[in-house]
Amino acid sequence: DTAVSQTPKYLVTQMGNDKSIKCEQNLGHDTMYWYKQDSKKFLKIMFSYNNKELIINETVPNRFSPKSPDKAHLNLHINSLELGDSAVYFCASSQEYRLSVNTEAFFGQGTRLTVV
Amino acid sequence: DQQVKQNSPSLSVQEGRISILNCDYTNSMFDYFLWYKKYPAEGPTFLISISSIKDKNEDGRFTVFLNKSAKHLSLHIVPSQPGDSAVYFCAASGAGANNLFFGTGTRLTVIP
Repeated sequence: DTAVSQTPKYLVTQMGNDKSIKCEQNLGHDTMYWYKQDSKKFLKIMFSYNNKELIINETVPNRFSPKSPDKAHLNLHINSLELGDSAVYFCASSQEYRLSVNTEAFFGQGTRLTVV
Repeated sequence: DQQVKQNSPSLSVQEGRISILNCDYTNSMFDYFLWYKKYPAEGPTFLISISSIKDKNEDGRFTVFLNKSAKHLSLHIVPSQPGDSAVYFCAASGAGANNLFFGTGTRLTVIP
């Protein structure tokens, strides 16, 4: 039973399109995240939500809009896709807002987005 | 500005031997460090962590060492097994923070 699940796993789309990636966690966690892994394998946070409220927005273009309908879901909508958006996007969740030795983040399997 | 660095992109080790993966960081405010393991087409999975108040944490075959003065941590795997072959990411977080800063990963290959 997958703890953090993302759909789709692969997404190929043309420049200019709008697409969404869905994420669901069944761990009962309060905090969810989106991370982006670029072509250089650099994994970097984009957003974090705690109890459906936006906590972190790390200099991400306005074309990226996260939406948290409830604590178990954090979807990522991307408008007007650009070539540079091609990356692997990881959803994650943690029990609490503050990470510590008792509160690690659990990651989904990733969504490989390719913009052509 | 990459605050967590893993300077070795790859490492090969014979089965049964020790694997040592290294990580350096620049931000002295980091107080929580983790190692994640990642298989192809899967997300990172948590492996082991250490608080800045400790210099060592051990969990089975995995031990993480922290040298705060050198801003360096390492992951030791003893003995290494073929199933350990994966990409290992070092990550760090500051006190009270909820985002992780990741290194670029080291691909470990354990040769049978």
